[in-house]
This record gives sequence, C-alpha cells and structure tokens, in this order.
Amino acid sequence: GAGVSQSPSNKVTEKGKDVELRCDPISGHTALYWYRQSLGQGLEFLIYFQGNSAPDKSGLPSDRFSAERTGGSVSTLTIQRTQQEDSAVYLCASSLLAGFSSGSEQFFGPGTRLTVL
Amino acid sequence: QKEVEQNSGPLSVPEGAIASLNCTYSDRVSQSFFWYRQYSGKSPELIMSIYSNGDKEDGRFTAQLNKASQYVSLLIRDSQPSDSATYLCAVTGNQFYFGTGTSLTVIP
Repeated sequence: GAGVSQSPSNKVTEKGKDVELRCDPISGHTALYWYRQSLGQGLEFLIYFQGNSAPDKSGLPSDRFSAERTGGSVSTLTIQRTQQEDSAVYLCASSLLAGFSSGSEQFFGPGTRLTVL
Repeated sequence: QKEVEQNSGPLSVPEGAIASLNCTYSDRVSQSFFWYRQYSGKSPELIMSIYSNGDKEDGRFTAQLNKASQYVSLLIRDSQPSDSATYLCAVTGNQFYFGTGTSLTVIP
C-alpha cells in the first residue's frame, strides 16, 4: 500500500471490555512499532517487531496489553479489560530497516483514537 | 536523563522569520537523526533525516548535526503559518527515541 494504515480510526468502548487495534505496515517494511500518545503528550513507545525476531515488549505498560504480528506484516494490538487511563491515540509506524542505518526512518499511520468510558 | 531532550516551547516567530529548533541526545553511538512534524490531531510526518555531521538542506528546511556536541537542530527559513505544529526530534540508539516535541507557532 501507499502508506501505513490503521483500523479502526476511532474506537469507543466501555471500561472492562477488550479491544483490538489493527495496523497494516508499508509493504516490504521489516520493522513495525506501536506507540501511544495521550492528549498533549509525547510518544510513548509500546512494542517493536523486527522481522522474525522476538518482539521488544519493554514499553508495554501492563500485562493487559499484548501485540502480535502475523506473517511479518499485519499487526494487532490487544488491550484486555480496558481502563479509562487507556484512552489515547494509538499510533503504528513501520520502517524498511531497523537499527542505525539509512532506511530506519519510521512512517506513521493515522492512528486509532481509543476512548474508554 | 532522557535519551532525547527538546525545549517544549511554545516557540513563536513572525511570518518570514527563521525558526530554530534544537535537540540534544545522550547516546554517543547514535547514528541516525530525524525530524518529524506533527499537526494537532494528526500523526507525525517525517520531514528530515540526517546521518553525518554538518548541514543538510531540503527546501526551506535545514537540519544540522554535531555529533561531538550531541545536538541536532532544525532551521525553518521564511516561516509560514502552515509551519505551525509540534516538531519531534528522533534518534536511533539501542531503540528509536523520540523527544517530547517543540511547539512552534508562526504568527502572520
């Protein structure tokens, strides 16, 4: 595709429900990142996938958060038993390569705005 | 100490002036440096990449990198109201680190 796509664009859920957020990276990009951004705040790193390597989950805020990347492409971020503090914009980004080199630039999707009532 | 530090601003400049945005980083092994622009309610958009010391120009934008001093800056010449946004500095180290951003307002 032309860019990173995310779905849904908006999600309103009730406290305690589970939600799934989807990210389709740019075709051929090996690295995929999830971030969270609360209103007026910076980017909070959540999780990073690089090729077939084990993901870097160091940014996940609790065990209610999990993510998977199937076939090295599409990724799903799952939040179980949502809480009001989970309300934020969830951003996905992909890059051709990872690490230090040229090609590691991240390109962002439009985000999913999650509201937990 | 944060991996990437930026002045949060807000920075206000008049239309047509030069806006100067600065960023410092802590990891000496960092090799890739990026500037992103984020409009309110939108996702970050890559505007500049720089990998070696010196200046890199792209239209009205110039990125400057000084690895010895561990800073990277972004100059916006002939600033326009449409440049009003938050500018995020990003650096690769053991991870991809983002600063918290500098809010820029260009006053017509």
